[in-house]
Amino acid sequence: AQKVTQAQTEISVVEKEDVTLDCVYETRDTTYYLFWYKQPPSGELVFLIRRNSFDEQNEISGRYSWNFQKSTSSFNFTITASQVVDSAVYFCALRIPSGTYKYIFGTGTRLKVLA
Amino acid sequence: DGGITQSPKYLFRKEGQNVTLSCEQNLNHDAMYWYRQDPGQGLRLIYYSQIVNDFQKGDIAEGYSVSREKKESFPLTVTSAQKNPTAFYLCASSIFHSGGGSNQPQHFGDGTRLSIL
Repeated sequence: AQKVTQAQTEISVVEKEDVTLDCVYETRDTTYYLFWYKQPPSGELVFLIRRNSFDEQNEISGRYSWNFQKSTSSFNFTITASQVVDSAVYFCALRIPSGTYKYIFGTGTRLKVLA
Repeated sequence: DGGITQSPKYLFRKEGQNVTLSCEQNLNHDAMYWYRQDPGQGLRLIYYSQIVNDFQKGDIAEGYSVSREKKESFPLTVTSAQKNPTAFYLCASSIFHSGGGSNQPQHFGDGTRLSIL
């Protein structure tokens, strides 16, 4: 069975602090895709990044970076120098190309960045 | 601009009433999805559709129904059989590859918040 675990329910940081959101996934498939989405208060989920299972390169995009480690089945997300606008719920998701084409979401981590 | 439009933004249901949530997309995506989100919880899949005139039950389909008569539209009906309908409902779409190897992300609408009167 596939599963995504985001153990951090809520995190509060002060503006300009760095923060890491954890994501641990479970799957027996060798090919899979991982995603991070941001859900601001408006409600719409915004796609942030996709990572294929065969590509373990870490990625940096501005203040955002992602650390994908197959050895620990983790796909963690770090925000550097956090800003109030980063306050949102962040979801990690897993997709398996075989089977039912479903996306499996974690329960989300609510990030509060305080001014 | 291409995107997904959900309406209405807020909806109230009376006891014993069926209500329909609209979802329209102009992204030319084949696959569409409906999710339910409860406070402090993740997204749970209600129904999904990979092509027109075809759809499958997700993890919590009881009390819901859908149709997919047009590629652009995937309306969700919350029936009176759904005893706890109060939630935030999100519609999404994605590119679908029949070979199964799609790594495309989903695109989401702004959601509909449903409450019981």
